[in-house]
This record gives sequence, C-alpha cells and structure tokens, in this order.
Amino acid sequence: GENVEQHPSTLSVQEGDSAVIKCTYSDSASNYFPWYKQELGKGSQLIIDIRSNVGEKKDQRIAVTLNKTAKHFSLHITETQPEDSAVYFCAASNKFYFGSGTKLNVKP
Amino acid sequence: EPEVTQTPSHQVTQMGQEVILRCVPISNHLYFYWYRQILGQKVEFLVSFYNNEISEKSEIFDDQFSVERPDGSNFTLKIRSTKLEDSAMYFCASSEQENTEAFFGQGTRLTVV
Repeated sequence: GENVEQHPSTLSVQEGDSAVIKCTYSDSASNYFPWYKQELGKGSQLIIDIRSNVGEKKDQRIAVTLNKTAKHFSLHITETQPEDSAVYFCAASNKFYFGSGTKLNVKP
Repeated sequence: EPEVTQTPSHQVTQMGQEVILRCVPISNHLYFYWYRQILGQKVEFLVSFYNNEISEKSEIFDDQFSVERPDGSNFTLKIRSTKLEDSAMYFCASSEQENTEAFFGQGTRLTVV
C-alpha cells in the first residue's frame, strides 16, 4: 500500500513570511495529490491539488510542486496570514492516504 | 455551495454498544468514503464505496464495521460492538469521480466510555 510521510509536524512563521511543507510517497502508481486544510472543529477542506502529469500548480498565495521521479511533493504558502494557521494534510492516490499533518502557526 | 453533512456531531456510547454514524454526500457524487482520526494522529482511510458496494477497505475496517447506503441519499457507518479504541473523529467524504476532489464532512466525534 501507499505510505505518505509529511514534514515538519509543526511550523511557526512570522506573518508575511513563506511556509513550506513537504511530503514523500512510496507508490509510484499514485497520480493524484491533494492538500487539505483542517481548522479547529471543522472538516478538512481541499486547498490545492496536483496530478502527476504536471510539475507545479499555483493558486494565488498557494502553490504545489511535484517531483514524480523522487516521489515527493511540497506545499508553498507565500505572504502568510494569521488565518492560514491550521493543520495541513497532504495525501496521495485516490484512496487518500494522508500524511501525519503539519500544524502551521502564523504569528502576527 | 454543496456540502457533505454528518450527524451527529458528537456521539457518546457505552463500550459494547452499536453506533451508526450518518452522512449525506453531495447529491451527484458517486464515490463515498469513511475515514477516522484518533486524537493527535493522522487521518486514516477506512473504506470506499461505489456502485452500492465496497470498492476498497483498510485493515482497520474489520468485521465490526459495516457501511450502507440505505436510501440513495444517506451513507452510514455502523460499528457493531464499540471498543474504547474506536474513540475518534469519523469523517465522511464524497467525490464525483475516483480521482477527483473529495469533499469532507465536518466529522462525528465518537467517544466510547
């Protein structure tokens, strides 16, 4: 089965700085990689996803990069804001094997 | 905006009792999923459901678990005889196709005492 590793487990940044969260996966057949944001007391919400036929995707302050050869993908958040504070999960494949989560704290 | 709804938001049950967690997926979605998240741990896949049958399940989804789509709109997860270690947040999700965005519900917090 798929194994997804996510780092770091916690990340603190100053407002306005960039944040990067990294994930690796084991199954080379995986071809769909979503990122979810989980705020306290709420369900996970998709913030961006990427498919294995592209290397990078950007949506305003959020970008995801994928290196299929190395089997890793990363979430980049630029110009962070306090409302970006949440737990972020990466996932791989249609079964959505999740990483262990990164608690992002953006300090004002 | 369409959303996945789950009820109840919090369920407390005695060990050994049966519980049914309910979900209403987005109406035009064809794939349905249950996940659980034990406090402080990662989200774990339990089961996926398509065309009125289980398409895949994880090791966690043993004989104590079952899923059903009783009436074409609800999607339920039943735990027959709850154990203390079943205490977790249970998330339902649905997607239009197999490899497309999954929409998650708000979760049901199950506490087994």
